[in-house]
Amino acid sequence: DAGVIQSPRHEVTEMGQEVTLRCKPISGHDYLFWYRQTMMRGLELLIYFNNNVPIDDSGMPEDRFSAKMPNASFSTLKIQPSEPRDSAVYFCASSNRGGFTEAFFGQGTRLTVV
Amino acid sequence: SQQGEEDPQALSIQEGENATMNCSYKTSINNLQWYRQNSGRGLVHLILIRSNEREKHSGRLRVTLDTSKKSSSLLITASRAADTASYFCATDAGKDAGNNRKLIWGLGTSLAVNP
Repeated sequence: DAGVIQSPRHEVTEMGQEVTLRCKPISGHDYLFWYRQTMMRGLELLIYFNNNVPIDDSGMPEDRFSAKMPNASFSTLKIQPSEPRDSAVYFCASSNRGGFTEAFFGQGTRLTVV
Repeated sequence: SQQGEEDPQALSIQEGENATMNCSYKTSINNLQWYRQNSGRGLVHLILIRSNEREKHSGRLRVTLDTSKKSSSLLITASRAADTASYFCATDAGKDAGNNRKLIWGLGTSLAVNP
């Protein structure tokens, strides 16, 4: 398996634009997590899915953020409209028993909003 | 919210020395994990220790868990320059969290191993 695949690796966008981040989890994993990492706040869980269903979205900062998982092999995180404070590295991770087993991380998307 | 807290925040040692990092957490857990992150990369799982285990080894890594003190330590023996990275602990959401399967993360320890 190629591991968790995220795209794009880097994204630079202007304030107010819509940004879509993509993730392909490891085949067979039924948990998918979206994280945001910044120097100030560390690694924050935004939302996680189990069997394509959102379970805990308490970390989603505001209505500008939305996430979907239309099938077991694809998920998106959308920010609309984007703001400079959204600049961060966004990680997707998958696992087969959630927090009870190891999580496999993608390489991340570095988002810069100018 | 962060549960795990690693200390020290930063550690600088010479190649060949041992590196010890500590993690404290707040709730009753089912397991604790350690991850490594190289600069600009995703996190990589190192080791998982269950709440009924006290010590676990993997190569040059040794992890201990003290559930009475709600703390864990990661020891890297005979460190190498390639061990330079950030190290994070993560716990499950806790035995009182029902079926919530999220991981709760510390802020990490930045380790620099100087050649």
